[in-house]
Formats: sequence, structure tokens, C-alpha cells
Amino acid sequence: QKEVEQNSGPLSVPEGAIASLNCTYSDRVSQSFFWYRQYSGKSPELIMSIYSNGDKEDGRFTAQLNKASQYVSLLIRDSQPSDSATYLCAVKPGGGNKLTFGTGTQLKVEL
Amino acid sequence: GAVVSQHPSRVICKSGTSVKIECRSLDFQATTMFWYRQFPKQSLMLMATSNEGSKATYEQGVEKDKFLINHASLTLSTLTVTSAHPEDSSFYICSARDQSPGRIARAQYFGPGTRLLVL
Repeated sequence: QKEVEQNSGPLSVPEGAIASLNCTYSDRVSQSFFWYRQYSGKSPELIMSIYSNGDKEDGRFTAQLNKASQYVSLLIRDSQPSDSATYLCAVKPGGGNKLTFGTGTQLKVEL
Repeated sequence: GAVVSQHPSRVICKSGTSVKIECRSLDFQATTMFWYRQFPKQSLMLMATSNEGSKATYEQGVEKDKFLINHASLTLSTLTVTSAHPEDSSFYICSARDQSPGRIARAQYFGPGTRLLVL
């Protein structure tokens, strides 16, 4: 079982719709969770971080964390073509220093 | 967010030569930096953790004598690809966590990456 799992996609949503990206992780003591966006040919860009159970909203983005289910998600409201990218879920274990990345979900927002 | 720079952004070199890539944290201190490599359409692969003032920690399968890492200050880490070969051609990305005094180091920020092509 991979430590951080994401559906590779592509996930296609129409412009204006809500995109829902999901991630599960295996290490129960993980403390910090991040979502990065990576455009083709570019490096990852941090868009959201979440550390406690519940929802965290930032503009059109909402991160949701459920530690009991070992599940973290990212919702993108009013999706735009410019949101088309690969979204990487990253998890930092409680006692560790390194991030563990999922393989990423490719999102396509269609006109 | 914190800013991480990398130089050069792109480099083409001949097989057998060495290439140095610099990674700088511009507005924060980073006692730890990370070096990743990414091949086309693949996920990020952590190569090594760079520790300021001490030896780097390499991931399994990464040759420390080939990928030399130096972290001489709180804002600079360098990766030198020695005796580069075509199979070393890849996208190299550094990353750093804001570990300035008083800050809770959590989020990790990436540099823009260096695209290496070895002919």
C-alpha cells in the first residue's frame, strides 16, 4: 500500500463546476497535510495547508481533513481553465522531517 | 509565502562534465533543504535532505558521490551532478521549509526548478 494515494485522473470538470480531489494516507500519526498545484513543466506551488480536522477555506479552495478516516480532500469552487494542472497531496508524519507526496491528480477544466 | 530561488533554470552540458545547481531561500532561514528530481510525467522523487553545516542524508538508491550536496549557510544549498550522463537529464527541484527563529516550520516551498539536459 502506498503511503499517500491519489487517483491519477484525469479528472475533467466543466468551467464553473466544483472540482473535488481526494487523497488517503496510511500513517496514522501524520500531523501536517498540504496541497500543491503543479503546472506542466513547472515546479509545485503550495496552495493549501491543513493541520486539524475539519474544513479550511481560502478563496475558491477548501481543504478538508478527517484524521479518523485518514483522508484529506481539496475542493475547488467555480473551476476555471487556469486551474487545469496536477494537484499533489503531501503528508508530513508526526515525527519526521520529510514530506511524502502522492503521485498527483491531473485536473482538466473544460470550457 | 516564502520564496525559494534556483539557478540556473536550464542547463545543457556535455556528457562527463559536472553541473552545479544553487538553491536559495530568499526571505527566510532554512536549516534543512530538500532536493527532488522529476522525470517527465512522473511524480516527484526525493533525492536527499540537505542539512546546514552537516552531511546530507540521501535516499535509498541515490549515489552520494555522484550527487554532491553542500549546505554551507542558512540560505544556500548546492547540488552538483558530477560526471553527468544523458540518463541524468531531468528536472531538479529544491525545496525549503521556513525555519527562522520563532517560526513553526511546517509548510515546504519549492524553487522554480532546473532543467538539465546532458548530451
